[in-house]
Amino acid sequence: NAGVTQTPKFRVLKTGQSMTLLCAQDMNHEYMYWYRQDPGMGLRLIHYSVGEGTTAKGEVPDGYNVSRLKKQNFLLGLESAAPSQTSVYFCASSTGDVTGELFFGEGSRLTVL
Amino acid sequence: GQNIDQPTEMTATEGAIVQINCTYQTSGFNGLFWYQQHAGEAPTFLSYNVLDGLEEKGRFSSFLSRSKGYSYLLLKELQMKDSASYLCAQVGGNYQLIWGAGTKLIIKP
Repeated sequence: NAGVTQTPKFRVLKTGQSMTLLCAQDMNHEYMYWYRQDPGMGLRLIHYSVGEGTTAKGEVPDGYNVSRLKKQNFLLGLESAAPSQTSVYFCASSTGDVTGELFFGEGSRLTVL
Repeated sequence: GQNIDQPTEMTATEGAIVQINCTYQTSGFNGLFWYQQHAGEAPTFLSYNVLDGLEEKGRFSSFLSRSKGYSYLLLKELQMKDSASYLCAQVGGNYQLIWGAGTKLIIKP
């Protein structure tokens, strides 16, 4: 009963390096999301997807790219990491129903030096 | 933009009752969620309200007043494991979630 799984859980990058965060869900959900969580701030939506092959920008998309090639996977890429991208990243999935809850992964803590 | 306001931190005693308030802008309202987040963990769903009134779920209840742009989460018979952050999130006019910064609840013996 895995739910939403994120990898890696922790990563340290140097400025300018690239990396990809992988999110996988086994609930057959249509919608998937990437959020970042910073101290003193609410969760902020980076990008989201309403189905396989679709992606859309959220509130803070700059510096990030995403892909949803398979329904169960949603990848978040940082092409050239910056210290401002130091954060905890959460992936989530849902049915897309406005009343439906989000199911979150355990989070990925990224530090950019 | 739309803002969600909730207290940054609250302290309560084990066994007591605590009310965590959340205010939001009433325009474009499509529902309100409460999530619980233990330190270092993922948020987990607690409740969803779209109609006025109180909904009870065990020790936790959630209240909504749409005309006042106000919600609260009521926790009864507090236990040490209730120490966590409680996140309020509004479903906005475009059906995207708008999140508050969370209320850190500290439970003391």
